[in-house]
Amino acid sequence: DVKVTQSSRYLVKRTGEKVFLECVQDMDHENMFWYRQDPGLGLRLIYFSYDVKMKEKGDIPEGYSVSREKKERFSLILESASTNQTSMYLCAGGRLAGGTSEQFFGPGTRLTVL
Amino acid sequence: DQQVKQNSPSLSVQEGRISILNCDYTNSMFDYFLWYKKYPAEGPTFLISISSIKDKNEDGRFTVFLNKSAKHLSLHIVPSQPGDSAVYFCAARGSGSARQLTFGSGTQLTVLP
Repeated sequence: DVKVTQSSRYLVKRTGEKVFLECVQDMDHENMFWYRQDPGLGLRLIYFSYDVKMKEKGDIPEGYSVSREKKERFSLILESASTNQTSMYLCAGGRLAGGTSEQFFGPGTRLTVL
Repeated sequence: DQQVKQNSPSLSVQEGRISILNCDYTNSMFDYFLWYKKYPAEGPTFLISISSIKDKNEDGRFTVFLNKSAKHLSLHIVPSQPGDSAVYFCAARGSGSARQLTFGSGTQLTVLP
């Protein structure tokens, strides 16, 4: 059974803090993705990676950075958290080529920035 | 500009009846379409997909229809069950380096017993 785990289910941080969200997948998938989900806006892609040490900006990368030092781990970093980054953050993994491009999601991290 | 749109934020149907969720897209380069289902406090889970070369795909109670000329797809659930109550997202695959998906805003389906 494939699995994507995220380091925290709930997180409360203060404005200006540096925040790390960790994601680990056990599927040996090349691709990993970070999304945020907001009411009425659906899932918006922040960053993705198709290989170790490779990263590309998604649709809303401003205020975020990522790190992928190992194939199974993809970290999202908020350098200086702001209240407009309060959201549900979802990590996903998927195969690079072939198939349906199905992505497997973690349970999400509900981040609140005060 | 949203390339994938779900214009109905919510839908309520009676148990046993058909649920029809709709999705429109603007990018003719999308080549694969997927539907995901999401329960509260869980990540989305894959439900069903369709290639752009097909117009219908069926899996049990779930059928997805694709109308390429109208750039429209729909998900039919029949018969609807209370356990189907969830947020449904449609997604489209583009031609980017990771074949990343573009998601719609979601439709909250409520199946009433």
